[in-house]
Parts: sequence; structure tokens; C-alpha cells
Amino acid sequence: SAVISQKPSRDICQRGTSLTIQCQVDSQVTMMFWYRQQPGQSLTLIATANQGSEATYESGFVIDKFPISRPNLTFSTLTVSNMSPEDSSIYLCSVELREKLFFGSGTQLSVL
Amino acid sequence: SQQGEEDPQALSIQEGENATMNCSYKTSINNLQWYRQNSGRGLVHLILIRSNEREKHSGRLRVTLDTSKKSSSLLITASRAADTASYFCATVHSGYSTLTFGKGTMLLVSP
Repeated sequence: SAVISQKPSRDICQRGTSLTIQCQVDSQVTMMFWYRQQPGQSLTLIATANQGSEATYESGFVIDKFPISRPNLTFSTLTVSNMSPEDSSIYLCSVELREKLFFGSGTQLSVL
Repeated sequence: SQQGEEDPQALSIQEGENATMNCSYKTSINNLQWYRQNSGRGLVHLILIRSNEREKHSGRLRVTLDTSKKSSSLLITASRAADTASYFCATVHSGYSTLTFGKGTMLLVSP
């Protein structure tokens, strides 16, 4: 299994500002995934982050809005830029080990 | 969309009863997985069943897969209040490597 430390656990932000979410994994992993879960909804994959290369974004998500860093095999950040109330969601990072996903505890973001 | 659909959306039972949740999907899969989420936090992997498997058990969990009907069910036996959570099915579709999550079933187990 993998233990993922994600922070912050929650934040309340003003529109137009940016928030950076961090995830630290207790082992080296090739890919890290960032998901968004809007209120009462399922998880939607934002992007896949590989160490040493640009993240791969899913349809509907762009790098300017959700820049991702992956400086090494145990760490990644997701920034939610120029936030609006529509960005209020839970953001989750995860890693895959033996076909199973392990998740951080999530960041609950509220944008006013 | 490849997204799975869980049924029911919400389920309320008493402790000791069994809970059954269903998941349907649209395109062929490599495997199907069930996850639990407590209070909007991180998801926890419960069980993985491959496309060539029909049934799998893990403790009080029993998962079935019917690829001809493109559906799966999760049975939780002798439920406990601690089982209260949202349950999601997730599929890895043929030709893809990432998981697609369903909309989830919210389970409430009352003491």
C-alpha cells in the first residue's frame, strides 16, 4: 500500500486568488493522479503527473488553470489558479500500485 | 460517456442487515473496482474483480461481475454503523489505463 499526505485539508479562498495543494507519498511512484470531486458528484480526473515530463490533462482541464509540478517521484503539487466559486470542490491526489488507487485525504476548497 | 452508474443513489438500513449496491457500465472493461469514501475524504480501495472473474469475496464484502450485462454488485453482509459511507465503482476500460468512477451510492447504517 501507499500512504499519501495531502495538505491543506481544507481552505476558504477569495475569488481571483490561487491555491496550491501538496501531496507527499511514502514511496517512489511513477504516476500521480489529480482528481476533482464537485459537491455530491463523482470523481473526475484532472491530470496525470509523471516525474520529469509535462502533466497530461484530461478534456476540459488546462494547464493554465491547473498547473501541476512533479519535481521527484514522491511529491506533486496542483495549483488551482484564478479561482471562482465554481472551483469549490474536493481535490484528491492518488497513486496507483498494483492496479489499485491509493488516495490522499483530500482538500476541501471553498471559493467565496 | 464510459462512466458507471450506481444504483441506488442512497440506501438506508439497520445494523445487521445486508446492503446491496449495483453498478452498470457501458463499454468492455479490464477490471472493475469498488471504493469507499467517508465524509468526503480520500477513497479507500475495497476490492478488484477482473473481467474473467465472476465473484470475489473479502471479509464481509462480496462482489459479482456479469460482463454480459455489463454490471456488478457489491454486497456488504451484517452491516455496521461504521459501514456508513459512499461507495463508488470504478472501471478500467479496454484500451485505457485510467479509472473511471461511477456516481456512487450513499449508504447509511443506523444502530
